Amino acid sequence: DAKTTQPPSMDCAEGRAANLPCNHSTISGNEYVYWYRQIHSQGPQYIIHGLKNNETNEMASLIITEDRKSSTLILPHATLRDTAVYYCIVRVGNTDKLIFGTGTRLQVFP
Amino acid sequence: DSGVTQTPKHLITATGQRVTLRCSPRSGDLSVYWYQQSLDQGLQFLIQYYNGEERAKGNILERFSAQQFPDLHSELNLSSLELGDSALYFCASSADGYEQYFGPGTRLTVT
Repeated sequence: DAKTTQPPSMDCAEGRAANLPCNHSTISGNEYVYWYRQIHSQGPQYIIHGLKNNETNEMASLIITEDRKSSTLILPHATLRDTAVYYCIVRVGNTDKLIFGTGTRLQVFP
Repeated sequence: DSGVTQTPKHLITATGQRVTLRCSPRSGDLSVYWYQQSLDQGLQFLIQYYNGEERAKGNILERFSAQQFPDLHSELNLSSLELGDSALYFCASSADGYEQYFGPGTRLTVT
């Protein structure tokens, strides 16, 4: 079973920041938080991952709370092409399989 | 473009048949993963190979098998196909296991 809880859907206006929450209250100390997205029926796309520090790359920022029980993926300037299902996944480093839950369907509107 | 290729894109076959799905990982990636995405089960991990050897197994049926060849490409064999095997099958590859790069998938329809 997936170890994360995400809202089923969210909307965001184009050009605004999209903040996608994820609850992972049972996360262990050696488990990372990963985010992937799937646009329509394409292959999932890696976005970002982190352990306890906030992370940023060219696609997004990942904010992890100090107790690590929740995190937020931030797309700073959402575009229509960011419309997708976003999956928050916890896993032990690089040694465990990816377990996808149901994700959050983000709809970016003009 | 993730750099992972999968063939064929679409496959339509009848129940009871056997098919082979092929995956070419990104150049240099030693790990290959197979996932199945169906409407009722979502995305599920099937199996992982690392440099030719099976590394991890997920919810893979006994009718399904996979292998990774010396050139690192991988094949997923599905036999005695049932209607419920209709799904999208994704292959992913990784160099270090942290970031998995997914291919475009093979859509299998069993009639």
